[in-house]
Amino acid sequence: EVQLQQSGAELVKPGASVKLSCKTSGYTFSNYYMSWLKQMPGQNIEWIGNIYGGNGGTGYNQKFKGKATLTVDKSSSTAYMDLSSLTSEDSAVYFCAREDNSGDYFDYWGQGVMVTVSS
Amino acid sequence: DIVLTQSPATLSVTPGESVSLSCRASQGISTSIHWYQQKSNESPRLLIKYASQSISGIPSRFSGSGSGTDFTLSINRVESEDFSVYYCQQSYSLPLTFGSGTKLEIK
Repeated sequence: EVQLQQSGAELVKPGASVKLSCKTSGYTFSNYYMSWLKQMPGQNIEWIGNIYGGNGGTGYNQKFKGKATLTVDKSSSTAYMDLSSLTSEDSAVYFCAREDNSGDYFDYWGQGVMVTVSS
Repeated sequence: DIVLTQSPATLSVTPGESVSLSCRASQGISTSIHWYQQKSNESPRLLIKYASQSISGIPSRFSGSGSGTDFTLSINRVESEDFSVYYCQQSYSLPLTFGSGTKLEIK
């Protein structure tokens, strides 16, 4: 069974950084892309970017370049996302989601993690 | 970026009714549209891929149609578990984008 388990909720101060994790199981991590997505409360879903589990190759939505940095640890089948220089606009739920082999849609999702930026 | 416009924003229906949800793309995207259901405080769930292709484990009352710029998600005889938010997503070009969602609520 494919599973994506995300780390717990974060409360961070403005200007700080946070690193989110997405630990996977039930499939060959290195054969798939993992995407990260943002959903502000009651809002639309935004695609942040993706990373290939095999070689760590990345692609970013221009909107999130400089804000998000994606990495992987193949040894633990875990994907990570660093968010930097946090502001209130970064308060949201962040999802990791596995892309299907075509890279067109998301077939498995993590449970999401709430990041709250507040002093 | 490709903009997806979903309508209506909210749809109020009685269980047992059949409904159609619309997703319109800002440019032609062939059949590169995918539909998700998101229940409150849950992750989205894939319902339909490539406009009309079914997904294993998804009830047959969900179906999709369309190509080019206009797409429809249909639910045949809505059940109580179907009341949630529905999103369309395009994969025609990067960045991948989502529509703003249609909330299906009980009348």
